[in-house]
Amino acid sequence: LAKTTQPISMDSYEGQEVNITCSHNNIATNDYITWYQQFPSQGPRFIIQGYKTKVTNEVASLFIPADRKSSTLSLPRVSLSDTAVYYCLVGESGYSTLTFGKGTMLLVSP
Amino acid sequence: EPEVTQTPSHQVTQMGQEVILRCVPISNHLYFYWYRQILGQKVEFLVSFYNNEISEKSEIFDDQFSVERPDGSNFTLKIRSTKLEDSAMYFCASTEGGGYYEQYFGPGTRLTVT
Repeated sequence: LAKTTQPISMDSYEGQEVNITCSHNNIATNDYITWYQQFPSQGPRFIIQGYKTKVTNEVASLFIPADRKSSTLSLPRVSLSDTAVYYCLVGESGYSTLTFGKGTMLLVSP
Repeated sequence: EPEVTQTPSHQVTQMGQEVILRCVPISNHLYFYWYRQILGQKVEFLVSFYNNEISEKSEIFDDQFSVERPDGSNFTLKIRSTKLEDSAMYFCASTEGGGYYEQYFGPGTRLTVT
């Protein structure tokens, strides 16, 4: 499994765009990049998944450069309810186990 | 939107007792998982289950743990003789297919062993 590195914490204010970057230097050819969100005392929730370039859904965007050694989760115009831990996971298609790191604790203030 | 449900939300038990944690995965999902999260720590994989058998398990999932799908809807995790260190949030998850598909997590069961 590719090791991932992401900031332990980030602070933001309501209405700002937040970008959380994850490093995965050892990403393999078959690996996908997936982000999950976890609120306190709740189970993780899938946000977005990508393989290369850019993926966008109603919640976030995921930017993956050509070398795929990093990725950036972009949350547009965050609100207080976006305060959560965000996990970057890298794994091969066909790999069923999710391996969570410590994630990035995002704190959104008024 | 379909969701994974878990019962109970909180279970308190004494050391050495058996507990069964219950989960109802999303109805058309085929792969089921248990994870746990000790307070303040990472989410850790315990076991995956497909076609009525364990497909993968972690080192945490020792002989004290077992899983079962007793009927077409429930998926259970049994801990035979609980230890203090089993205190954690236990999350059930399910997914349509194996592999790196979106896993849907339940709200969790907080297990407290005294």
